[in-house]
Amino acid sequence: GAGVSQSPRYKVAKRGQDVALRCDPISGHVSLFWYQQALGQGPEFLTYFQNEAQLDKSGLPSDRFFAERPEGSVSTLKIQRTQQEDSAVYLCASSLELNHEQFFGPGTRLTVL
Amino acid sequence: GENVEQHPSTLSVQEGDSAVIKCTYSDSASNYFPWYKQELGKRPQLIIDIRSNVGEKKDQRIAVTLNKTAKHFSLHITETQPEDSAVYFCAASGNNRLAFGKGNQVVVIP
Repeated sequence: GAGVSQSPRYKVAKRGQDVALRCDPISGHVSLFWYQQALGQGPEFLTYFQNEAQLDKSGLPSDRFFAERPEGSVSTLKIQRTQQEDSAVYLCASSLELNHEQFFGPGTRLTVL
Repeated sequence: GENVEQHPSTLSVQEGDSAVIKCTYSDSASNYFPWYKQELGKRPQLIIDIRSNVGEKKDQRIAVTLNKTAKHFSLHITETQPEDSAVYFCAASGNNRLAFGKGNQVVVIP
């Protein structure tokens, strides 16, 4: 079956621009997670959803970061007024239940100039 | 929050030899410990996981051991092959969020 998909795969933004990153989880997966992966580092937790409810957003680095999953399926991570330090790969993962295997998408590589 | 550390950062092994990667975690409440393999430019993929009610788990050439008292867990790869070359991440979860280590670069020399 189809895995987790993300779009766009690559995004170049000028500093100060807003960006929106999309995640399509595996159908039927209740839990959805967002991670930020800097070059040469492990994924860092940003936020997660259980259906449409955002249960933990403690990993979001600033109030410029916002995530939503209004219908409990597709999720969007929005970054306002992008800064150079936002450059990273943004990974989305989904799982059937909490504390179960997380399946990762291919990521969106964001470059802020 | 949970803090996960991995050692060593880079590991080179001869093809056919074994590779061992060790991780430590800080939160005694963590109860789920997955290992992910990530090839360059690809997504992380789960290779094995273990829960805190089990001390060891094996899947073909891959095994994971968990020591809850010492708060460390290890990945063992036997009979390494060139396709095992990748970055391996350990992670720990106790509150529904995964905390990842910084990763180990494993290089299998043919």
